[in-house]
Amino acid sequence: QKEVEQNSGPLSVPEGAIASLNCTYSDRGSQSFFWYRQYSGKSPELIMFIYSNGDKEDGRFTAQLNKASQYVSLLIRDSQPSDSATYLCAVNRGYGNKLVFGAGTILRVKS
Amino acid sequence: GAVVSQHPSRVICKSGTSVKIECRSLDFQATTMFWYRQFPKQSLMLMATSNEGSKATYEQGVEKDKFLINHASLTLSTLTVTSAHPEDSSFYICSASGTLAGGPTDTQYFGPGTRLTVL
Repeated sequence: QKEVEQNSGPLSVPEGAIASLNCTYSDRGSQSFFWYRQYSGKSPELIMFIYSNGDKEDGRFTAQLNKASQYVSLLIRDSQPSDSATYLCAVNRGYGNKLVFGAGTILRVKS
Repeated sequence: GAVVSQHPSRVICKSGTSVKIECRSLDFQATTMFWYRQFPKQSLMLMATSNEGSKATYEQGVEKDKFLINHASLTLSTLTVTSAHPEDSSFYICSASGTLAGGPTDTQYFGPGTRLTVL
């Protein structure tokens, strides 16, 4: 079992729809969780971090964390073609600042 | 805030030469810096973790004598690819974490990356 698992996609959604990206992790001791966006040929950029169970909203993005189910998700409301990218889930298992990254989910927003 | 720069953005070199890549945190103190490598259409692969003033910790399978990492200050880390070969051609990306007002200390902020091509 991989430490951080994501569906590779591609996930295709129409413009204006809600995109739902999911991530599961194996280490119950994981403490902090991150979502990054990576456009083709570019480096990752931070979208959100979340530490506590529940939802955290920032603009069109909502991160959801359920530690009991070892599950973290990212919702993108009113998806735009510019949201088309690979979304990386990352987890800090509590050993320093090292993050474990999932392989990423490709999102395609079609206009 | 949380700007990380990398230089050069692109480099082409001949086989057998060494290439140095710089990573700088511009507006915060980076207590820890990370070096990743990413091949086309593949995941990020962590190469090493470096803390300011300490020796880098390399991931399994990464040759420490080939990929020299120096983290001399809280704002600068360098990666030197020694005796580069075509198979070292890749996208090298650094990230930094540290003390940033209002943010968690374990958040990694990425530089724009360096595309290395070894002929």
